[in-house]
Order: sequence, then structure tokens, then C-alpha cells
Amino acid sequence: EAQVTQNPRYLITVTGKKLTVTCSQNMNHEYMSWYRQDPGLGLRQIYYSMNVEVTDKGDVPEGYKVSRKEKRNFPLILESPSPNQTSLYFCASSLQLAADTQYFGPGTRLTVL
Amino acid sequence: AQSVTQLDSQVPVFEEAPVELRCNYSSSVSVYLFWYVQYPNQGLQLLLKYLSGSTLVKGINGFEAEFNKSQTSFHLRKPSVHISDTAEYFCAVSDQQAGTALIFGKGTTLSVSS
Repeated sequence: EAQVTQNPRYLITVTGKKLTVTCSQNMNHEYMSWYRQDPGLGLRQIYYSMNVEVTDKGDVPEGYKVSRKEKRNFPLILESPSPNQTSLYFCASSLQLAADTQYFGPGTRLTVL
Repeated sequence: AQSVTQLDSQVPVFEEAPVELRCNYSSSVSVYLFWYVQYPNQGLQLLLKYLSGSTLVKGINGFEAEFNKSQTSFHLRKPSVHISDTAEYFCAVSDQQAGTALIFGKGTTLSVSS
């Protein structure tokens, strides 16, 4: 089954404790992206990747890192999480571009205390 | 840079009534337009998209949208809604040239009641 998976689905952590949210897709997509969803703000892009070893900042990259060492994986790293990073995070992938149909993961709800 | 404005944050309707969710966009370049839907506790999925050609686009679940370039709008419509259409709907745009980002509106919550 074609899908985007994210882990963990729920995470409660404390300020400053490094964490990684994994994202994997099995569709051989080149484009992958991370978004955060906050009430009343919609989805905002954090980082995106056009292909392996090609990543770039989205609209809200501060406090986040990403890497793309393999085509299928695109982990999101929070080196020193802060409470303002409490949010719902979505990973998405598409064939080549943002304009291709994006397939979204189920989301990761992160709470930073 | 592009921006998207969804004019209604919440739209309550009764079952079998028609509905229109409004979306306006702003861009200095040509864009592609999208509607995504998010059912409760799920990720987003594509409803429909406008890339080129006919300005009336049909999507899944009986939804359609019309691209109006002069009014920079892309309103979503359904002639008769069901309880199962209750969800959050997002309008989005993407730059036709760069293609690196999908810019979302803030979302419209459609609540269908019996």
C-alpha cells in the first residue's frame, strides 16, 4: 500500500531534550516536505527536499533541522525543543514538485513542556 | 510571494444543503490551485486541483471548484452535502515556475448536521 508513515504519532517531551520525528514514504517520490499545523494558522512549511541531499527552508524553519540521506526517509530534528514548537506535524511527499499531488502522513502531535 | 485567504473559518450547514467554501489568492506569478481535505484525526488528502484548461474542476466526493482569474478566486462547491463531509478544508497555491512550496490558507471547518 502506498503510504507516508510518521513516528511517533504522539510525543510529550521537555524543553531542551533533542528529539527526532521520522518520516518514510514507499512511493519513490523525489519531493518531501514537513509542515506544522496550528489552530487558526493552517499549515506552514518548515523544510522541504527536492531529492537526496537537496533540502531547503520553508516559511518557519527556525529551531528545526532535516536531512535527506535516502530517498524514502526525511527525518525532522528538534535539537533543543521549546514550548512554542508544541504543534501537530505532518510529513508529505509528491512525485517531483509541490504542485504534484502531495500524500500526507497521519501526523505527529508534539507537546513540549 | 503567494498568499491564500479563506474567507470563512467555519461553515455550518444542514445535510443535503448546498455549500460553497470561498478561497481568494494573491500572487505575482501564475499559480496552480488546490483544495485539500482533512477529516478528523487524519492527514490531508487532495480533493481537486487546477493546473490548466477548463476553469471548472471536478474532484472526489462530488466536489467541484471554479478558477476565476480576474477575481483571483477558487471557490469550492458541493450541491448537496452529507454528514460525512464534516471536515476541515484547505485551499492552497503553488508557484508554476519554482514549484517548491505549497502555500496553504488557514482552513475552513465545514460542519454538517442533520
